[in-house]
Amino acid sequence: AQKVTQAQTEISVVEKEDVTLDCVYETRDTTYYLFWYKQPPSGELVFLIRRNSFDEQNEISGRYSWNFQKSTSSFNFTITASQVVDSAVYFCALIPNTGGFKTIFGAGTRLFVKA
Amino acid sequence: SAVISQKPSRDICQRGTSLTIQCQVDSQVTMMFWYRQQPGQSLTLIATANQGSEATYESGFVIDKFPISRPNLTFSTLTVSNMSPEDSSIYLCSVEAGRYEQYFGPGTRLTVT
Repeated sequence: AQKVTQAQTEISVVEKEDVTLDCVYETRDTTYYLFWYKQPPSGELVFLIRRNSFDEQNEISGRYSWNFQKSTSSFNFTITASQVVDSAVYFCALIPNTGGFKTIFGAGTRLFVKA
Repeated sequence: SAVISQKPSRDICQRGTSLTIQCQVDSQVTMMFWYRQQPGQSLTLIATANQGSEATYESGFVIDKFPISRPNLTFSTLTVSNMSPEDSSIYLCSVEAGRYEQYFGPGTRLTVT
């Protein structure tokens, strides 16, 4: 099966707290691509990061960091010192190498950051 | 990256009517995609639209209900036909801009009454 699971439906934090959004994926392919997108209340999906299956290096971009672990099929996303503007729905997604370019999205995690 | 615009941004339509959504990209792209996002849900791929060929529809979506045009490398349309309240969703177009990076338009919020 090819699947993305975001077990956290909603998370609520207070500003300046750190928060981790979990993502677990399933795929038969040895080559695949993982993504995170942000969807603020305006509705537009914003591309955050792409990772391919051969690159397990963690990445940091400002307050955002991503932890990719093939051993546990996880691609978790951490926001450090959260801000109200981080409030959004975050989607983890998978593109397996086979099956064309079909993107498989997780159900999304809604993050509320309170001032 | 790619900059994508969609028209209309939102619409309220009567059941039984049809709406055509336009998607314009600021650069030439081979692959364009149409997604539906029902209220509070994740994204579901409707179809893949490549220029010069028929759109490829995912399971559960048919051409009669969601006809798609792709006349050139920067433009596509999706029509939602014979609408019912269940078609109330956000419809998003996206493009693959190289290196498996996918960019999305701002979406069209459709309400069917």
